[in-house]
Amino acid sequence: QKEVEQDPGPLSVPEGAIVSLNCTYSNSAFQYFMWYRQYSRKGPELLMYTYSSGNKEDGRFTAQVDKSSKYISLFIRDSQPSDSATYLCAMAYAGKSTFGDGTTLTVKP
Amino acid sequence: GAVVSQHPSWVICKSGTSVKIECRSLDFQATTMFWYRQFPKQSLMLMATSNEGSKATYEQGVEKDKFLINHASLTLSTLTVTSAHPEDSSFYICSASPTSTEQFFGPGTRLTVL
Repeated sequence: QKEVEQDPGPLSVPEGAIVSLNCTYSNSAFQYFMWYRQYSRKGPELLMYTYSSGNKEDGRFTAQVDKSSKYISLFIRDSQPSDSATYLCAMAYAGKSTFGDGTTLTVKP
Repeated sequence: GAVVSQHPSWVICKSGTSVKIECRSLDFQATTMFWYRQFPKQSLMLMATSNEGSKATYEQGVEKDKFLINHASLTLSTLTVTSAHPEDSSFYICSASPTSTEQFFGPGTRLTVL
């Protein structure tokens, strides 16, 4: 079993929809939780970085961490075609990150 | 802030030659740098972790003699693919971390070995 499991997708939504991206993990040692966005043929870009359980909001993006359930989510409100990309969750402890396999999102105009 | 550059962005080489890829953190000092490779439609595969001034730590299955990593300073790490073969063709991405948790990625280098 992988340490980090990410909903595989792909996901296709109409413009303006609310998108929910999810990951589960098995290692309770993970302390830091990140979401990255990767456009085709580009390096990943850090979107959100959280440490504790709860919600963190940044513009149209909300990251949610539930340590008790070992479950994290990224919500995108009012999705735009420019949000079309692959989203990677990542979790870290002791200086090492483990990445999910990514969910490819397409937002159709 | 937190910009990481990679050079070159793409390279085509003949089988048997060596290729060097540079990774630089432009506006912060990176205590740790990471090297990944990524195949099409797959996630990142960590190859090695390097700390400035010390030897890189390679992941299982990654040949250290083939993928030479040098972390010369707090802002520069290099990956040299020695005696490259077509199966080494991939997208190589570095990341730099100021804190050993959050990582900032470079734009990647696409290597094609003929």
